[in-house]
Amino acid sequence: GQQVMQIPQYQHVQEGEDFTTYCNSSTTLSNIQWYKQRPGGHPVFLIQLVKSGEVKKQKRLTFQFGEAKKNSSLHITATQTTDVGTYFCAAAFGNEKLTFGTGTRLTIIP
Amino acid sequence: NAGVTQTPKFQVLKTGQSMTLQCAQDMNHNSMYWYRQDPGMGLRLIYYSASEGTTDKGEVPNGYNVSRLNKREFSLRLESAAPSQTSVYFCASTPREFYEQYFGPGTRLTVT
Repeated sequence: GQQVMQIPQYQHVQEGEDFTTYCNSSTTLSNIQWYKQRPGGHPVFLIQLVKSGEVKKQKRLTFQFGEAKKNSSLHITATQTTDVGTYFCAAAFGNEKLTFGTGTRLTIIP
Repeated sequence: NAGVTQTPKFQVLKTGQSMTLQCAQDMNHNSMYWYRQDPGMGLRLIYYSASEGTTDKGEVPNGYNVSRLNKREFSLRLESAAPSQTSVYFCASTPREFYEQYFGPGTRLTVT
């Protein structure tokens, strides 16, 4: 099946610093979704990107979809302790089922 | 509106035992999914049901069976549990394929 690479696997940041996670594919994507999973919790949908070059913002979170629709990023500005968790991308390749990335675990140093 | 519910929350099995994980959603969603989550592996699709009456294999279906009992319920059965099936199992639903997925709270399964 298709694969999507997500980096980094772990990220430790001081509170107030920025954070970015990347999702990369060798194949063009139909769309990409982002989810957040708090420790001990379940994944919660954040956003879906469909258009080439699309940029969406949710408060301190900025999501981008690459021009070639092969990569995406999630950027958090001025992290807070509430941002702790694992962030997953989930990519759709044509009519195939969503493929989840391996996730980036974010920890915040107060 | 409970969303997606899963039972049980925790389960310990011995190798060779069988069990069924239950999932129900009250959002009138068409599509339902079963995933397993292992450390460093993300979420891997076991089986899915695009609509009531249909089921299909996902990425890792071996050792599992599913039943889409009705539009609300989608169960996952382990016929003969193995230690390699120790994992956290999540059920999810979506109104249509490729829309946002709503996840249940998960079942933490340990096979000894």
